[in-house]
Amino acid sequence: AQSVTQLGSHVSVSEGALVLLRCNYSSSVPPYLFWYVQYPNQGLQLLLKYTSAATLVKGINGFEAEFKKSETSFHLTKPSAHMSDAAEYFCAVSGRTGGGNKLTFGTGTQLKVEL
Amino acid sequence: GAGVSQSPSNKVTEKGKDVELRCDPISGHTALYWYRQRLGQGLEFLIYFQGNSAPDKSGLPSDRFSAERTGESVSTLTIQRTQQEDSAVYLCASSLGSSYTDTQYFGPGTRLTVL
Repeated sequence: AQSVTQLGSHVSVSEGALVLLRCNYSSSVPPYLFWYVQYPNQGLQLLLKYTSAATLVKGINGFEAEFKKSETSFHLTKPSAHMSDAAEYFCAVSGRTGGGNKLTFGTGTQLKVEL
Repeated sequence: GAGVSQSPSNKVTEKGKDVELRCDPISGHTALYWYRQRLGQGLEFLIYFQGNSAPDKSGLPSDRFSAERTGESVSTLTIQRTQQEDSAVYLCASSLGSSYTDTQYFGPGTRLTVL
């Protein structure tokens, strides 16, 4: 079975500061990992995904994440936060068990960006 | 092009009533997923459709929940005899195929409130 744990349900940063959202995974098979963002009153949007190619994955809006097998982590970073980055972020792992691509999500991290 | 759409956007119902939620996937997407997002929790997988294959119902929480999909188009999720614990946002996602690398595109969700 696969699972992900997101540390910190709320993270607050100043505009221009580094954004670091933590995600640790548990998987019995080599995982595929995803970060999604949910803006208020909108559906989830894919930020980036790791599918066993490069361990450093670049996504949209300046976000990136690094897959670290030794630490079972897939933390999301952005060098400089913008006010528009305020949203909820979800880490997810692919089921990879039989048919379909069932995703198992973490409980989410609400990012607040302050002036 | 058009994204995944869901209707209604909000539904308030009384305990014990049946509700039907609709999802219109992106045209040409063969895979369709339903997830549930309860307050303070991550998304939970409910059911998955792939083309004309038998759906994967492994995530449905009880036999009060059912879903149908007509070919590769519209899907409806039905909850019979609703309970208060069914209150959640129900999200639909579609993807081009069911490979682990196929991106899932999410609709805006239906917020269900059971009084």
